[in-house]
Amino acid sequence: NAGVTQTPKFRILKIGQSMTLQCTQDMNHNYMYWYRQDPGMGLKLIYYSVGAGITDKGEVPNGYNVSRSTTEDFPLRLELAAPSQTSVYFCASSYSSARDRGHNGYTFGSGTRLTVV
Amino acid sequence: ILNVEQSPQSLHVQEGDSTNFTCSFPSSNFYALHWYRWETAKSPEALFVMTLNGDEKKKGRISATLNTKEGYSYLYIKGSQPEDSATYLCAFRLLNNAGNMLTFGGGTRLMVKP
Repeated sequence: NAGVTQTPKFRILKIGQSMTLQCTQDMNHNYMYWYRQDPGMGLKLIYYSVGAGITDKGEVPNGYNVSRSTTEDFPLRLELAAPSQTSVYFCASSYSSARDRGHNGYTFGSGTRLTVV
Repeated sequence: ILNVEQSPQSLHVQEGDSTNFTCSFPSSNFYALHWYRWETAKSPEALFVMTLNGDEKKKGRISATLNTKEGYSYLYIKGSQPEDSATYLCAFRLLNNAGNMLTFGGGTRLMVKP
């Protein structure tokens, strides 16, 4: 049981390049999230998904796209990298059902440190 | 935009000291308050999920209390040890939040000196 796996761990991009941050979980969690963490700031929600085929914007979605074709995978795409996207990105997942009323904590991946130069 | 604030931002204590820090959150439309422990170079790990006013949760030397009416939660560490050094995050979940989304505070960074 690997939990939430993120790749790559580190990446340096040039301005205007694109890349996909991969996230996969093996816990059959229905909810998945992408957060970014900037120095001195809290985690900010980029996008989230409540299940396969369903995604929605969070607080800071501009410059990013996501897809959720399977329960396990939730990749984050940067189309035209900008210096403002230099950050540490965390993928997280959680399980929620009517029975537990969503009172489960998140499981986080180990993060991807992205630098745009 | 929800405002979740944690204080202090950082804290240095000696081994054996007990310490506590605060998370403030909106007192209306409360659903749940989470606490996470985040060690350097690792990912955040869930400590507690608190849902009811007056809740108290405990895990070893770490405990937390919740006051939903006034919008705050305290995290206590009794007899701090160097291995308690980490950033402690709180996160607020709003009522009627179909995505189970959490709004995180900025964290309290605890450093315990041997």
